[in-house]
Amino acid sequence: DADVTQTPRNRITKTGKRIMLECSQTKGHDRMYWYRQDPGLGLRLIYYSFDVKDINKGEISDGYSVSRQAQAKFSLSLESAIPNQTALYFCATSPGTGPRPQHFGDGTRLSIL
Amino acid sequence: AQKITQTQPGMFVQEKEAVTLDCTYDTSDQSYGLFWYKQPSSGEMIFLIYQGSYDEQNATEGRYSLNFQKARKSANLVISASQLGDSAMYFCAMTLEYGNKLVFGAGTILRVKS
Repeated sequence: DADVTQTPRNRITKTGKRIMLECSQTKGHDRMYWYRQDPGLGLRLIYYSFDVKDINKGEISDGYSVSRQAQAKFSLSLESAIPNQTALYFCATSPGTGPRPQHFGDGTRLSIL
Repeated sequence: AQKITQTQPGMFVQEKEAVTLDCTYDTSDQSYGLFWYKQPSSGEMIFLIYQGSYDEQNATEGRYSLNFQKARKSANLVISASQLGDSAMYFCAMTLEYGNKLVFGAGTILRVKS
């Protein structure tokens, strides 16, 4: 089983719909992150959480919200999806101390028509 | 602010040969981590190798090694004995000691020829 699991893996939806992307991890890491990747580009940070009671905006948080339901679960919501939110979304985790590697889920391909 | 620069948009290498992917970084912090990730066409991000700023020896993981030159602020990835399955996009990234995110370079597409 994957250490970082994202659901769904693929989603096609319409403009204006509310969408939730879910992430769960079995690595026991405190820190969790949501990134988006647009074609031909690197990843950009949407939101991050250093523990269950900690939520922080990243560089592109507008139009998104998150919920950290437990240490192992971090969900990303698009309240009213728009076409320019079409992208590949990644959840990642890392240990709570030091500049350690982040481990990524397999990604969710989201298309908004 | 942190910045990662990958100057090679694309690279070709013959199967079984070694290849070096370039990465330079910029930060004024003394404590940071440098990483390489592989992204195959299927899309997942695969962690390859990590180098801490205070590590005196270059990191190695199997066929991957990181040529860390701190004074030059470079962290090049060396892949030895290239395989067809190494064809992918490769990202260099860094994070600070107390940082909240990975900063990624633009990536290098590697194509291994048979």
